[in-house]
Amino acid sequence: QSVLTQPPSVSGAPGQRVTISCSGSSSNIGAGYDVHWYQQLPGTAPKILIFADTNRPSGVPDRFSGSKYGSSASLAITGLQAEDEADYYCQSYDPSLSNSYIFGTGTKVIVL
Amino acid sequence: QVQLQESGPGLVKPSETLSLTCTVSGGSITNHFWSWIRQSPGKGLEWIAYIHTNGRSNYNPSLKSRLTTSLDASKNQLSLTLSSVTAADTATYHCARHGNLNRGVDWFDPWGRGTLVIVSS
Repeated sequence: QSVLTQPPSVSGAPGQRVTISCSGSSSNIGAGYDVHWYQQLPGTAPKILIFADTNRPSGVPDRFSGSKYGSSASLAITGLQAEDEADYYCQSYDPSLSNSYIFGTGTKVIVL
Repeated sequence: QVQLQESGPGLVKPSETLSLTCTVSGGSITNHFWSWIRQSPGKGLEWIAYIHTNGRSNYNPSLKSRLTTSLDASKNQLSLTLSSVTAADTATYHCARHGNLNRGVDWFDPWGRGTLVIVSS
C-alpha cells in the first residue's frame, strides 16, 4: 500500500552526491504533512535518518539532508561512503486514507 | 536506551490467526504511541496500527476488520492479532515507538528488528 513513489535504485561513486526523490500527492505531502526518512542497512530494522522534512537526529552525519517542495520530498547524501549502501524509505501521513501513515516504495543506494 | 523485541510463531497456516508480542525494555510503554509495521518484498513497508495506553488506537483500513491490538503495561508489552491470514500476510512484522514534536506527523523510532511470519500450509 505504498502511496509515496521512490526510484528503485540510485548509484554513485564514493565521494559523490546522490539524491532520492519521494513523490506524493495533494492529500499527503502536498497538503503540508511532514516527511521523514529512514535508512535500513542489510539485516537490520529501519532507523530514523531525517524527521520533519529537514531535521537530523543526533548522531546522523550532516552528509544527509532533507528537503520538501510541493507534493514531493528529497533526501540528499553528499560525500557518499561505502557504509551508506542501504535501503532508504520516506514516510508521511494521509488523512484521506483513514488517517494512515504511509511509506515510500523504497530506494536502494548502491555505492560503486 | 529503549529496545523492542518482537516474538511470534514463525509459521501460520492460511485462515488461522496470527498472534505477535512486542516486549519493550529500557523504558515504559506508558505515555507513548506504539505502532505495528510490516515489511514484505512485494509491498514494501506497510503501517498496520497504532495504540496508546490512554486507549487511543487506529488501524490501517485495509486490515481493520481482521486486527486486534492491546497493551499490557504490567509486562511492558504490546500485542497484535491478525485473523484469517493468507499468503499475502507473509512479512516481517516490526513494532516501533512513535516520535513527535507535539505537532506535525509522528515518525517511528526506535524499531524492533522484526519477526518473520510465513503463511503457508
